[in-house]
Amino acid sequence: AQSVTQLDSHVSVSEGTPVLLRCNYSSSYSPSLFWYVQHPNKGLQLLLKYTSAATLVKGINGFEAEFKKSETSFHLTKPSAHMSDAAEYFCVVTNSGGYNKLIFGAGTRLAVHP
Amino acid sequence: GAVVSQHPSWVICKSGTSVKIECRSLDFQATTMFWYRQFPKQSLMLMATSNEGSKATYEQGVEKDKFLINHASLTLSTLTVTSAHPEDSSFYICSAPYRAGNSYEQYFGPGTRLTVT
Repeated sequence: AQSVTQLDSHVSVSEGTPVLLRCNYSSSYSPSLFWYVQHPNKGLQLLLKYTSAATLVKGINGFEAEFKKSETSFHLTKPSAHMSDAAEYFCVVTNSGGYNKLIFGAGTRLAVHP
Repeated sequence: GAVVSQHPSWVICKSGTSVKIECRSLDFQATTMFWYRQFPKQSLMLMATSNEGSKATYEQGVEKDKFLINHASLTLSTLTVTSAHPEDSSFYICSAPYRAGNSYEQYFGPGTRLTVT
């Protein structure tokens, strides 16, 4: 079985400060992990993915995440927040390869203040 | 990149009527598509896996007779909400896997907001 736990339902940062969105996963086999972003009333956009290659993954808009098997974590970071980063972020797990159904975390709402 | 579309983007219907939502992969073929629903301020919950040429696979707790899925071609899956009730009001999103290198990425449609009055 697979599951995802996003440790913070809300994160608030000031513009220009670092962002950390935390995610822990559980999987009985090699997982593929993703971070998606959803802006209000919009579809989901893929930020980055881990699929058993490099453990430090760089994505779009300056985001990156590090896969840590020993900690079963896949935290999302960004060095400097921008106002346009305010959105809902979902950590997602699926089986290795990414073809099958996705298991979503509960989501973290990121607020960015001027 | 891959594009998935949904139609309509929003729909309002009366209680007891049926509503059909389309999900299309515009520039790639998808033998499998996925349907999710999302309640306000909540995460996405997988409803069912749509399989081209065969029956859909429903997640536990999802009524297959209420949420009819038809995957008629390699680029089209439809979700029909039958005898809709206000509690069916939600944001419905589909996705399709697209091969990217040695793995797949799921591309999502923009969603369909259903309001049942």
